[in-house]
Amino acid sequence: AQSVAQPEDQVNVAEGNPLTVKCTYSVSGNPYLFWYVQYPNRGLQFLLKYITGDNLVKGSYGFEAEFNKSQTSFHLKKPSALVSDSALYFCAVRSDRGSTLGRLYFGRGTQLTVWP
Amino acid sequence: EAQVTQNPRYLITVTGKKLTVTCSQNMNHEYMSWYRQDPGLGLRQIYYSMNVEVTDKGDVPEGYKVSRKEKRNFPLILESPSPNQTSLYFCASSPGLAGEWNEQFFGPGTRLTVL
Repeated sequence: AQSVAQPEDQVNVAEGNPLTVKCTYSVSGNPYLFWYVQYPNRGLQFLLKYITGDNLVKGSYGFEAEFNKSQTSFHLKKPSALVSDSALYFCAVRSDRGSTLGRLYFGRGTQLTVWP
Repeated sequence: EAQVTQNPRYLITVTGKKLTVTCSQNMNHEYMSWYRQDPGLGLRQIYYSMNVEVTDKGDVPEGYKVSRKEKRNFPLILESPSPNQTSLYFCASSPGLAGEWNEQFFGPGTRLTVL
């Protein structure tokens, strides 16, 4: 069965420090991995995705994520956090095969708080 | 402006009163999907559609119906709402038949309360 785990409900970091939001996944076949961000009272916005190729992918707002096949992880990172990065972050995965081709599986979300 | 729109944005209703939440996209996307968001559970997929007249169940389809009679619209129907369907609902779309490698564009959400 396909699934996504975000082991931390909350991540707190000081402005200017690096941040990491963790995500691990389980999927049959090859994974398509996504990160989305949700600001208060808003819908979800796409940040970045991994389909194939370079394990380090760069996305919007200075975020990047590293795909690690052996550890089945796709952690979100940013070298220097901003207060405006404070939001709810979701990792999501799809499989490239099988009867679940149209399904998208989300993690439970990680609330990121960046304090000044 | 390319967007996904949902109506209504807020709805308070009573148990058993049929309701429809509309979703429309103007990007000519083949793939559309409905999700519900509940605290501590993240987003869970209710139904999705890979193209017109093609729909399939997600994780939590019970108590919901959908239809895809035209490409741009994907309404979510609650025939007999119950309090456990109180939630925040999102519609999303993406290009491609399964949209598997494309990011999804989300609507602003519909907050539903069933009393």
